[in-house]
Amino acid sequence: NAGVTQTPKFQVLKTGQSMTLQCAQDMNHEYMSWYRQDPGMGLRLIHYSVGAGITDQGEVPNGYNVSRSTTEDFPLRLLSAAPSQTSVYFCASSYSQLAYGYTFGSGTRLTVV
Amino acid sequence: DAKTTQPNSMESNEEEPVHLPCNHSTISGTDYIHWYRQLPSQGPEYVIHGLTSNVNNRMASLAIAEDRKSSTLILHRATLRDAAVYYCILRPRNSGNTPLVFGKGTRLSVIA
Repeated sequence: NAGVTQTPKFQVLKTGQSMTLQCAQDMNHEYMSWYRQDPGMGLRLIHYSVGAGITDQGEVPNGYNVSRSTTEDFPLRLLSAAPSQTSVYFCASSYSQLAYGYTFGSGTRLTVV
Repeated sequence: DAKTTQPNSMESNEEEPVHLPCNHSTISGTDYIHWYRQLPSQGPEYVIHGLTSNVNNRMASLAIAEDRKSSTLILHRATLRDAAVYYCILRPRNSGNTPLVFGKGTRLSVIA
């Protein structure tokens, strides 16, 4: 089924560990973004990309790296996990034209202990 | 960037219409008005968008004021499944590198 696939759905990390959250879309969307949502809070933009090879920082980029080597994939890397990064992470994608809305993945729930 | 203002929360009875307001007094002529919603424990989903004219789709209707300084998302018959946080977001027509940025939204509760 077409859509945005995020893996894993759940993850527990120890402080200092690194990991990559995967995001893949099969709709040939140019735009992809990563958000985090802390409990009871709104979505905050971490990093985004407007096409393969192009990425930029959002509101809260510290502690995260991204790359966009293909149109389909946009992985988010946590360099050294901290308890403050405990959150739900959402990936989203869209065509560049404004006639289309963003499609979101179902999220990755990350706990850092 | 043009900002939007929405009430923190609203309540509706099931099967009644719901009008969710959004003020955007600093909107520019090239800004589209987008609405998203986030159901509990799910990612946001696109609802509807418009520029100047009112818009309808299978999920909702969007009524845009003549001066475009406000808009209203209309759910014609609220169901329990419509309980969610609703976000009103402005996107420039030539958004280019501008990503989607969320505000606090309106939390809609639906009472059976």
